[in-house]
Amino acid sequence: GQQLNQSPQSMFIQEGEDVSMNCTSSSIFNTWLWYKQDPGEGPVLLIALYKAGELTSNGRLTAQFGITRKDSFLNISASIPSDVGIYFCAGRTSGTYKYIFGTGTRLKVLA
Amino acid sequence: KAGVTQTPRYLIKTRGQQVTLSCSPISGHRSVSWYQQTPGQGLQFLFEYFSETQRNKGNFPGRFSGRQFSNSRSEMNVSTLELGDSALYLCASSADSRYEQYFGPGTRLTVT
Repeated sequence: GQQLNQSPQSMFIQEGEDVSMNCTSSSIFNTWLWYKQDPGEGPVLLIALYKAGELTSNGRLTAQFGITRKDSFLNISASIPSDVGIYFCAGRTSGTYKYIFGTGTRLKVLA
Repeated sequence: KAGVTQTPRYLIKTRGQQVTLSCSPISGHRSVSWYQQTPGQGLQFLFEYFSETQRNKGNFPGRFSGRQFSNSRSEMNVSTLELGDSALYLCASSADSRYEQYFGPGTRLTVT
């Protein structure tokens, strides 16, 4: 099935460090969503982006809708142990009723 | 507002059987999407329903089907289960699929 390219695939970081991850597509998207998923649970929506260039924050999380509309970025500042999990991006093209998901970034925080 | 609920949370079935999973969306949401999540394939879109109409379908065999009721609750059915159908099945609701989706906790299906 179709998936977005998400990088990095996984990362170990020290508590307190900042984290950056991104998602790229060959298609132009109208909407980008970022989720976090804990083991055995459903993804939890973190941030939704609807306009190219849009920068939106949710606490220590900041996400941006790339100006080319083919990419999006998520930054986590001052990471803490509970940031551990898998982060997914999801994008939707105009006129469609479905989201395509990224391959996920597995984040591990070392205390 | 209550979140998206899915029942059952866990299921164990045998090859060849069929299964029905249920999803109740957030109150007021009319769009329900279903996804299959496996370690190898990630999150794959199954289908989306809006006001009882299927508007989009993913690349899954006809053994996978769904429906939506007038109260927006949705069910998906998998017939003639195969071992490869073992996965976490997730349901997501939104006011309209143009907007953000909220996921339920999922149903973990194991086929033996």
